[in-house]
Amino acid sequence: DTGVSQDPRHKITKRGQNVTFRCDPISEHNRLYWYRQTLGQGPEFLTYFQNEAQLEKSRLLSDRFSAERPKGSFSTLEIQRTEQGDSAMYLCASSQQGASNNEQFFGPGTRLTVL
Amino acid sequence: AQTVTQSQPEMSVQEAETVTLSCTYDTSESDYYLFWYKQPPSRQMILVIRQEAYKQQNATENRFSVNFQKAAKSFSLKISDSQLGDAAMYFCAYRRVHFFGNEKLTFGTGTRLTIIP
Repeated sequence: DTGVSQDPRHKITKRGQNVTFRCDPISEHNRLYWYRQTLGQGPEFLTYFQNEAQLEKSRLLSDRFSAERPKGSFSTLEIQRTEQGDSAMYLCASSQQGASNNEQFFGPGTRLTVL
Repeated sequence: AQTVTQSQPEMSVQEAETVTLSCTYDTSESDYYLFWYKQPPSRQMILVIRQEAYKQQNATENRFSVNFQKAAKSFSLKISDSQLGDAAMYFCAYRRVHFFGNEKLTFGTGTRLTIIP
């Protein structure tokens, strides 16, 4: 397994457009997290999946954001009607419940620029 | 809510010297984990070292060690024999213990470490 992957790595879009990002976690990991990292800040939690169930969403996740994890495998994060304030790095991480340390492994991120 | 504070936005150290990065946190939990993550430029975040709050012994990983002061809610990272490859953003992070639920990470704002050849 090559770790957590994210696609695309970079996305430039115009304000008002919809964008979708994909995260492929480590195959045996049942937990998946999305974080957002703006310039000069640490990552902030957005949402959490255990298998296919989305169990928690941050208040940072407005109604324009939606995330899915069909069949408990890959996950998608969609942003509708993008705004300039959505420009950030979107990070995905996965972990295995019950593992010795529940370490979260991060993907390389998708950098979104909204013009 | 838990918070993590890193008061040093930037640090620099001469190659082969030792540097200490500071982190403080606030929580009402008694059991939790603390982490230091490294984020090299344009590369993904990797775990450097972790500390379980119930352990009094400070964690060490090769050249990396921590000074964990639970009562003071302080968690500093010491890097010995600094190498050019250590240059990166370093994030301190907190995670509650929640075996059956969301174990999200709460991060500080990071410290950019520069290694001077």
